[in-house]
Amino acid sequence: AQSVTQPDIHITVSEGASLELRCNYSYGATPYLFWYVQSPGQGLQLLLKYFSGDTLVQGIKGFEAEFKRSQSSFNLRKPSVHWSDAAEYFCAVEGQGSGTYKYIFGTGTRLKVLA
Amino acid sequence: DTGVSQDPRHKITKRGQNVTFRCDPISEHNRLYWYRQTLGQGPEFLTYFQNEAQLEKSRLLSDRFSAERPKGSFSTLEIQRTEQGDSAMYLCASSLDSRALLPDTQYFGPGTRLTVL
Repeated sequence: AQSVTQPDIHITVSEGASLELRCNYSYGATPYLFWYVQSPGQGLQLLLKYFSGDTLVQGIKGFEAEFKRSQSSFNLRKPSVHWSDAAEYFCAVEGQGSGTYKYIFGTGTRLKVLA
Repeated sequence: DTGVSQDPRHKITKRGQNVTFRCDPISEHNRLYWYRQTLGQGPEFLTYFQNEAQLEKSRLLSDRFSAERPKGSFSTLEIQRTEQGDSAMYLCASSLDSRALLPDTQYFGPGTRLTVL
């Protein structure tokens, strides 16, 4: 069965520091991968997605992610974190099989940014 | 395009009562999804519609849960005889079937937070 693992439940970084959030997936074929951000009490906003092609994907708000098939990873990065980036981040894979398009989410990583 | 909207944003109810939530997808989107998110967890899939047809239901969707999308536009999720374990954020998402070109991208609404006392 497909699954997504986000090993870090909480991460704290100082404003201006670089950030990397880890995501590992379990999937047999080429995955469709997504990163979403959720601010407190809000829905999910799409940051970026990977379907095929270039393994380095650029997203909104200065985020990028790199797909590494050999490591089954899709880590999210940002070179310089802003205080407004404090939120919860979810990695997801589209479940694949006949007629299913549901997303399977990781448990999320909560990011805290220190001033 | 005003995005996916959900109503109400918050609902507090007593155990045993019925509740109904509404989701309005992005207007041209023909796929609609319901997810449930409990504290400290990622969203979990509940059910999915293609136009008005409900094509997939999770085992999480017990007999007390029912979802409809009568005209292929808005959708409702009803929970009968609510239990304290139903307390969660209920998220709706929509997408446009573009399978011929690329996989769908789901766009999420703000969610309905349900508290069962």
